[in-house]
Amino acid sequence: GAGVSQSPSNKVTEKGKDVELRCDPISGHTALYWYRQSLGQGLEFLIYFQGNSAPDKSGLPSDRFSAERTGGSVSTLTIQRTQQEDSAVYLCASSSRQNNEQFFGPGTRLTVL
Amino acid sequence: AQTVTQSQPEMSVQEAETVTLSCTYDTSESDYYLFWYKQPPSRQMILVIRQEAYKQQNATENRFSVNFQKAAKSFSLKISDSQLGDAAMYFCAYRRGNTGKLIFGQGTTLQVKP
Repeated sequence: GAGVSQSPSNKVTEKGKDVELRCDPISGHTALYWYRQSLGQGLEFLIYFQGNSAPDKSGLPSDRFSAERTGGSVSTLTIQRTQQEDSAVYLCASSSRQNNEQFFGPGTRLTVL
Repeated sequence: AQTVTQSQPEMSVQEAETVTLSCTYDTSESDYYLFWYKQPPSRQMILVIRQEAYKQQNATENRFSVNFQKAAKSFSLKISDSQLGDAAMYFCAYRRGNTGKLIFGQGTTLQVKP
């Protein structure tokens, strides 16, 4: 079946603009995760959703970052007033339950000029 | 807080030879899982192998095996009969038992020479 997909593949934006990154998890997966991969910080957890439970937002770096998951499926990560340090690859993953294997998407490379 | 450390930024191996990638972690938890992920240039993270902390037996997946030393908090990955397709960045990761959040090491770039 189809894997995790993310769009866009690449995004270039200007400092101060808002961006939305989209993740389509594997159908039927109840858990969805966002990670950020940057040169300075490595691979870091941002947020995860598990079913109807309140999301774990403990990894979001600032209040400019938010995410939602509509209908238990598609998720959108929004970054407001982007800064140059937000430049990174944003990876999404999903799993059938929170304790099961996470399957990753190809990521969105965000460049803030 | 849990941390994962990979002390080898880059490693190199000759095709068909064996290479070992190192990983250490720090945790006070007793219920946790450890993973090795491979990230080729395509960026897509692929799970290579996983180890449950409560299992004493080292996990093995074909040419990939781990040396899990729980007391030493060490979790190394051995790749046997290295192939050109093994060239990638490898990440060691930790997950506490009751959460889905993965904590990653800094990664090791593996080069395979023909």
